[in-house]
Amino acid sequence: DAKTTQPPSMDCAEGRAANLPCNHSTISGNEYVYWYRQIHSQGPQYIIHGLKNNETNEMASLIITEDRKSSTLILPHATLRDTAVYYCIRQDQKLVFGQGTRLTINP
Amino acid sequence: EPEVTQTPSHQVTQMGQEVILRCVPISNHLYFYWYRQILGQKVEFLVSFYNNEISEKSEIFDDQFSVERPDGSNFTLKIRSTKLEDSAMYFCASKGRVNTGELFFGEGSRLTVL
Repeated sequence: DAKTTQPPSMDCAEGRAANLPCNHSTISGNEYVYWYRQIHSQGPQYIIHGLKNNETNEMASLIITEDRKSSTLILPHATLRDTAVYYCIRQDQKLVFGQGTRLTINP
Repeated sequence: EPEVTQTPSHQVTQMGQEVILRCVPISNHLYFYWYRQILGQKVEFLVSFYNNEISEKSEIFDDQFSVERPDGSNFTLKIRSTKLEDSAMYFCASKGRVNTGELFFGEGSRLTVL
C-alpha cells in the first residue's frame, strides 16, 4: 500500500514547467515525502524530499501544503529527458512504490 | 559520483535453476535492499539488510530467496529453483544512514526464466 495518490499520466510541453501533484492525506507528522523517478526501465532515481517546508535543489522544487496532505513536484523547465514515471513516497524504513505518474514531455 | 553496480545486466536461465544476482553498494553505505519489477508492473520491495542480517522482508521473499554479504563489498540475491514468474528486473539499492529515505539504486539485473 503506497498510501499516496497520483494521477496515472500527465503531459507537458518541452521548456514548460511540469507540476506533478500527490495526495498523502493520512501522512503522520514525522513522515517525510520523497520523490523518485524511473526513466524507462532504469533504476529509480532520487529527486527530492521534504517534511513541511518547500524545498529546491538542482533537479526540482517541492511544494508541500501547510496541512501536509498534499504536495507538488515542479520541474521548472522540462526537457525530453524528463520523460519518466514519477513516484511520490511517504518515508518508511523501506520505500513503497505505487504506480506513480507517467510524465511525457512533448517537443 | 559513487554508484551502485549490479551484475549481470541480463541473465537467461532455465526454470528450476539457481541464480545469483550480485550488487556492489556504495562503499560507505550500511543499509542494503533488493527490489524487483515485473515487466509493466510497479517496483516491489523484497528485502532490507543491515549488520549482516535481514531487517525486513516482504511476502514475496519466501524460502526460495536468500541474501548474503559474503565479503566487504558484494551483496547478493540468490534465487533457488527459479520459476517463470521470477522473470523481472531486480534492483539493488543502498543508503548511508538509517533515518533517510534517499536510496541509491543500481541499473538492475534483468532475469528471464524460460
